[in-house]
Amino acid sequence: DIQMTQSPSSLSASVGDRVTITCRASQGIRDDLGWYQQKPGKAPQRLIYAASSLHSGVPSRFSGSGSGTEFTLTISSLQPEDFATYYCLQHNSYPLTFGGGTKVETK
Amino acid sequence: QVQLVESGGGVVQPGRSLRLSCAASGFTFRGYGLHWVRQAPGKGLEWVAAIWYDGTNKYYPDSVKGRFTISRDNSKNTLYLQMNSLRAEDTAVYYCARDPRASGWWGFDYWGQGTLVTVSS
Repeated sequence: DIQMTQSPSSLSASVGDRVTITCRASQGIRDDLGWYQQKPGKAPQRLIYAASSLHSGVPSRFSGSGSGTEFTLTISSLQPEDFATYYCLQHNSYPLTFGGGTKVETK
Repeated sequence: QVQLVESGGGVVQPGRSLRLSCAASGFTFRGYGLHWVRQAPGKGLEWVAAIWYDGTNKYYPDSVKGRFTISRDNSKNTLYLQMNSLRAEDTAVYYCARDPRASGWWGFDYWGQGTLVTVSS
């Protein structure tokens, strides 16, 4: 199975900050990676697919990069509605696996 | 718009069975693969099952293989998850999610709101 190591597990930030979250795959997965945002009590929502493509309707302050084993989600200027938990997902091979999540909290 | 609505969750005793349903609308159901994903209370996300657009291929992680069965009825636009021999560790919110393609695994582009399954005596 491909292991997805996500870091940090939590971070504290302020509105307007630039935030970076990283996922590392235990083996190469090309660009078969997505990023998801989840708010408390709600279903996850896709932000990024194919490592760097923005899902329809997602604000442009979100961006993704990487290929192979190292991936990054960046929020260029954190907004109040962005405080949430973020997950990466690899879909290169079965079983599909998620990173452990990053909780973005207010500083 | 794409809608996925899960139902069938509840409280069930260990060792018993439960069937979840996911009613879909707003898209051509038979043209997409579908998945179940779960989240234990306070924990992260775990992929549980996948089925291709025509139901011919099904996939599971080892944690549920042999106990859970995914199926679909393209005439009813409905996805199912039959869960047998339930264990306490199966307690979770179960989400259905759409794959952006008909076959293979391409992630999840839309999710339902989830249904809670609690396994407890």
